[in-house]
Amino acid sequence: GIQVEQSPPDLILQEGANSTLRCNFSDSVNNLQWFHQNPWGQLINLFYIPSGTKQNGRLSATTVATERYSLLYISSSQTTDSGVYFCAVDGRGGADGLTFGKGTHLIIQP
Amino acid sequence: KAGVTQTPRYLIKTRGQQVTLSCSPISGHRSVSWYQQTPGQGLQFLFEYFSETQRNKGNFPGRFSGRQFSNSRSEMNVSTLELGDSALYLCASSPPGQGMKTQYFGPGTRLLVL
Repeated sequence: GIQVEQSPPDLILQEGANSTLRCNFSDSVNNLQWFHQNPWGQLINLFYIPSGTKQNGRLSATTVATERYSLLYISSSQTTDSGVYFCAVDGRGGADGLTFGKGTHLIIQP
Repeated sequence: KAGVTQTPRYLIKTRGQQVTLSCSPISGHRSVSWYQQTPGQGLQFLFEYFSETQRNKGNFPGRFSGRQFSNSRSEMNVSTLELGDSALYLCASSPPGQGMKTQYFGPGTRLLVL
């Protein structure tokens, strides 16, 4: 099946810093999403971005489908940004549901 | 609109027992997907239901099953529980016509198998 690799696995930053999270995938996809999982386990959909660039407040994402990677940018980090960020893609056009990467564990220190 | 709800939130079972978890999607959503999250394997797709029919299935043994009712509520069942079934089970629903483009997740059910 499709492989999804995320980097870095862990990231510790001070409040106010900027960060870039990367997601590489092994095959063409029709669906790529970024999620944030908070410390209580709740998964929140951040972006649906199979290609192109989107922005939502301090967060933005870019997917270069031809090169099979996506980037999530977080600017002016806040402590509430802490948690795990997952990239997920559809496998076999969705027949395998969403395939998730292992995530990037982000800790924002005050 | 109310979000996706899952019951129960926490559950403790012993090996060999069976368990049933429930998921109520957002009103109007007809697609419901289930995922298992463990520290070792991460998030893995279990199955997806749409209009009471299983549309897709992940690579899990037959002990894992599910169903969807006419009101789109879904249940998943795990029979003959094993220690490795201890996990956070997440349910997600999708708006009509969106497939899996936008998935809204519930808070999950934490299952501990002793």
